[in-house]
Amino acid sequence: NAGVTQTPKFQVLKTGQSMTLQCAQDMNHEYMSWYRQDPGMGLRLIHYSVGAGITDQGEVPNGYNVSRSTTEDFPLRLLSAAPSQTSVYFCASSYRGRGQGLAEQYFGPGTRLTVT
Amino acid sequence: AQSVAQPEDQVNVAEGNPLTVKCTYSVSGNPYLFWYVQYPNRGLQFLLKYITGDNLVKGSYGFEAEFNKSQTSFHLKKPSALVSDSALYFCAVRDNMRFGAGTRLTVKP
Repeated sequence: NAGVTQTPKFQVLKTGQSMTLQCAQDMNHEYMSWYRQDPGMGLRLIHYSVGAGITDQGEVPNGYNVSRSTTEDFPLRLLSAAPSQTSVYFCASSYRGRGQGLAEQYFGPGTRLTVT
Repeated sequence: AQSVAQPEDQVNVAEGNPLTVKCTYSVSGNPYLFWYVQYPNRGLQFLLKYITGDNLVKGSYGFEAEFNKSQTSFHLKKPSALVSDSALYFCAVRDNMRFGAGTRLTVKP
């Protein structure tokens, strides 16, 4: 199993440009999520999905869109990049534990994004 | 709202000494809590979780965590620290997968 994969590893954008961060998992997990990591702020949830066709907003959804057409893929779209979106982005996936709700999450290696 | 807090930004310990990384929680109902570790330029890795049952939870790499309901804490511990344990540690609460701000652990030889 490759686990959770993310592309690209690094990206530099100019203000106003758009792009899509790719995330895929091969563990047949129902739950997938996107986080951004900024110094001193831990991880903040951007969007998440509990299954194909279902997405919802997290703590910091503004400026980002997601879709979940398949179980495997969960791309994150930046509509019009801003310097405030400079961050490290992590995708994660999880299965639902029996009677326990969400189990632990498996994280991708991250995408380091710089917006100038 | 469900949340966790990590009161220490940085913890320094000498190799061979016991280590503790602190986490407190604010959760209504049964708390389901997690610890993750992040090594430099890597994604987070799961260490252990508390769902129910024994208050002492054992996890990967010799780590354990003590759940204390009266103090609403879930501290991460290891009896003897290694230099290779130096990393960023996060606690998280299950229901909304909120993470603490992280604690940087440095183990000095």
